[in-house]
Amino acid sequence: DQQVKQNSPSLSVQEGRISILNCDYTNSMFDYFLWYKKYPAEGPTFLISISSIKDKNEDGRFTVFLNKSAKHLSLHIVPSQPGDSAVYFCAAVSQGAQKLVFGQGTRLTINP
Amino acid sequence: NAGVTQTPKFQVLKTGQSMTLQCAQDMNHNSMYWYRQDPGMGLRLIYYSASEGTTDKGEVPNGYNVSRLNKREFSLRLESAAPSQTSVYFCASRRVTNVLWGNTDTQYFGPGTRLTVL
Repeated sequence: DQQVKQNSPSLSVQEGRISILNCDYTNSMFDYFLWYKKYPAEGPTFLISISSIKDKNEDGRFTVFLNKSAKHLSLHIVPSQPGDSAVYFCAAVSQGAQKLVFGQGTRLTINP
Repeated sequence: NAGVTQTPKFQVLKTGQSMTLQCAQDMNHNSMYWYRQDPGMGLRLIYYSASEGTTDKGEVPNGYNVSRLNKREFSLRLESAAPSQTSVYFCASRRVTNVLWGNTDTQYFGPGTRLTVL
């Protein structure tokens, strides 16, 4: 049972435009959500997170939106840059739990 | 401050061979994790250690054992490698902070070990 799903394996966006990556979850106990970015031959690096008490969190070009009723979160990157080309993982955890649950990842390609 | 380090970076084994993947963190985190990454499968948790002296199974523990040697080090052992264990392995440590507007919960990953079992 995949509790966190990223239904788009890949996404291609033109440089300067907005990239929107989506993630759905099924477990209503999740109350903290994270996005990680991964370059080839490197480990994932933390990008941005959001608590369930919020519906939006912004950090520079990156904004994460959380829709609890739809059990959906999205990552917006504006404007997209070539260095944003990477695999993006969303992850979720419930308070007090020790384990993050990851989605399958979305490969983002930014075209010049 | 090196963060999370893993050795080796690459390894090729024959079926039935054993090996240990090493992981160390210098951030004084209590919790440490081992994941494997396979195409289309995301990151799947193998084992984790919530604190020194404790270990627990994750989603895919079969064929693996772990040791939390001390607070810094968490190793993953394959006793009898199988081709299905060909993967990229990541170690991570976790920081939870209490801030005024709520907790933050972040895992920091090592660079990975690419393992091929023939």
